[in-house]
Amino acid sequence: GAVVSQHPSWVICKSGTSVKIECRSLDFQATTMFWYRQFPKQSLMLMATSNEGSKATYEQGVEKDKFLINHASLTLSTLTVTSAHPEDSSFYICSARDGGYNTGELFFGEGSRLTVL
Amino acid sequence: GEDVEQSLFLSVREGDSSVINCTYTDSSSTYLYWYKQEPGAGLQLLTYIFSNMDMKQDQRLTVLLNKKDKHLSLRIADTQTGDSAIYFCAERYPGTYKYIFGTGTRLKVLA
Repeated sequence: GAVVSQHPSWVICKSGTSVKIECRSLDFQATTMFWYRQFPKQSLMLMATSNEGSKATYEQGVEKDKFLINHASLTLSTLTVTSAHPEDSSFYICSARDGGYNTGELFFGEGSRLTVL
Repeated sequence: GEDVEQSLFLSVREGDSSVINCTYTDSSSTYLYWYKQEPGAGLQLLTYIFSNMDMKQDQRLTVLLNKKDKHLSLRIADTQTGDSAIYFCAERYPGTYKYIFGTGTRLKVLA
């Protein structure tokens, strides 16, 4: 099946720094990728939809200047958490849609755990 | 609202069947999915059902869909300790690839 890889798996940073998380589709081209945030013991919250070559579409309540998304190629989307603060600590998961699948199945990355000190 | 509801916890004995329930919100959703999440990991698609189906069986997994009540269930036969995980249902909004995830059910399988 299709594989989506995230990097890094976990990152610890100091408050005020910026952190970049990568999401790659390894064996298919993903015109659309999605970024989610998951708090402990909670469900996934969709943050934004990332479209290759265009601006991301953010969900209501998600600060686009805080969470910068870049989808520069068909296999890579990045999420940058700018000026991170402890409340940004969370598990971030990306998913990608394989345009060849009619079921609209999304393939998920392994997740990236961010801890801001 | 957009809440997709699931019961939070389920505990079963190894070898028994598990039934995880989900109530979704949009009757026009075309696809409904079940995902499994193991600790510290991403989501793994288990199965999906198209909205014009009532039931789908895939090895140990059986999905039942009641469109009238907007109720989806996942039955795992002969539950094993390796099935312990969090299970999420998700509905896909029509005409989009936007998924709304349920609150997740934590399944614990007792040996």
